[in-house]
Amino acid sequence: DTEVTQTPKHLVMGMTNKKSLKCEQHMGHRAMYWYKQKAKKPPELMFVYSYEKLSINESVPSRFSPECPNSSLLNLHLHALQPEDSALYLCASSHRTGATLDEQYFGPGTRLTVT
Amino acid sequence: DAKTTQPPSMDCAEGRAANLPCNHSTISGNEYVYWYRQIHSQGPQYIIHGLKNNETNEMASLIITEDRKSSTLILPHATLRDTAVYYCIVRVVMDSSYKLIFGSGTRLLVRP
Repeated sequence: DTEVTQTPKHLVMGMTNKKSLKCEQHMGHRAMYWYKQKAKKPPELMFVYSYEKLSINESVPSRFSPECPNSSLLNLHLHALQPEDSALYLCASSHRTGATLDEQYFGPGTRLTVT
Repeated sequence: DAKTTQPPSMDCAEGRAANLPCNHSTISGNEYVYWYRQIHSQGPQYIIHGLKNNETNEMASLIITEDRKSSTLILPHATLRDTAVYYCIVRVVMDSSYKLIFGSGTRLLVRP
């Protein structure tokens, strides 16, 4: 199983809502990532978790709150978002960070619209 | 900040080789070059990576210049399914983690 799954596929939320994005992998990977991708732009890294601990936060606003409850699961909690936060949110995983042959496997993404 | 520059778009005929260039003139000695592609509405897919030697796998070949300031991804026999955005990426090591810094990407159109 080389799949990273993300739910939901699409999400529409108001600026006062609280929602969560979910990412799951069963490849035994110990590193997981959140990326944000605006239309016609490349993905931008938001967070990196290594062995269930947050290792990189790319100065992301606090209205985005990541959580890694176990090695297979990664959540992104959303609260008080702005319309400019509308984007495709991609999750990825890799065997472990820093390894030479450590390719990242990406999920299909959650398309988020903030109204 | 992006560490790579790529042409915004290219096209090639089906069955011919597609050669996608990338400049990474500020790359450091321990930073790898990765290539991913993204087909519309899907997550990026790993293609190949290298440090300083040329690399080949079942999908593509990666040619890195001796000074490591540029590289070329080669798809030897492009098919219509290879139409996608191709990202040239530098992998930067940070403490116990690493991050992929994506370039702006080249939109490759394979023509029938």
